[in-house]
Amino acid sequence: GAGVSQSPSNKVTEKGKDVELRCDPISGHTALYWYRQSLGQGLEFLIYFQGNSAPDKSGLPSDRFSAERTGGSVSTLTIQRTQQEDSAVYLCASSPRLASYEQYFGPGTRLTVT
Amino acid sequence: AQSVTQLGSHVSVSEGALVLLRCNYSSSVPPYLFWYVQYPNQGLQLLLKYTTGATLVKGINGFEAEFKKSETSFHLTKPSAHMSDAAEYFCAVTPNTGGFKTIFGAGTRLFVKA
Repeated sequence: GAGVSQSPSNKVTEKGKDVELRCDPISGHTALYWYRQSLGQGLEFLIYFQGNSAPDKSGLPSDRFSAERTGGSVSTLTIQRTQQEDSAVYLCASSPRLASYEQYFGPGTRLTVT
Repeated sequence: AQSVTQLGSHVSVSEGALVLLRCNYSSSVPPYLFWYVQYPNQGLQLLLKYTTGATLVKGINGFEAEFKKSETSFHLTKPSAHMSDAAEYFCAVTPNTGGFKTIFGAGTRLFVKA
């Protein structure tokens, strides 16, 4: 079946602009995660959603970052007033349910802020 | 707060040699443990996981890992390296005390020499 998809695959934006990154999880997966992977770094947790529960936003680095998940499926990560340090690969993952623990990753969106 | 340490950002082995990638975690309660692999220009995929039960777990492509509570370790091994094993490997932990925020290590890039 279809895996996790993310769009766009690449995004170049000017400093100060807002960007939206989209994630389509695997159908039926109730948990969804966002991570950031900077060059040469590991994955930095940003946020996760589980069903209708309040998301865990503890990893969002600043109030310029926000995410929503509509209808328990598609998620959008929004970065306002982008800065050069926001340049990274943004990864989305979904899981059948939180208690299954294993995550299925999308290919990522490479964001470059000029 | 939980943390994950992967010793060695780069590991180089000869084809046919033993692969050993080290992972240590810090947590007052043993978490759930994972190894993910990221092949060049591909997304992350799960290699293996430990949640409960047998402490020696086997994964895909001949890899295995052993959870050692006394050493707070979850090292990844493979008896004989293959050229196709060249990739970046990430150790990750998820708490089993409520909450599902997953923390990843910085990653270890494995090089396999002919």
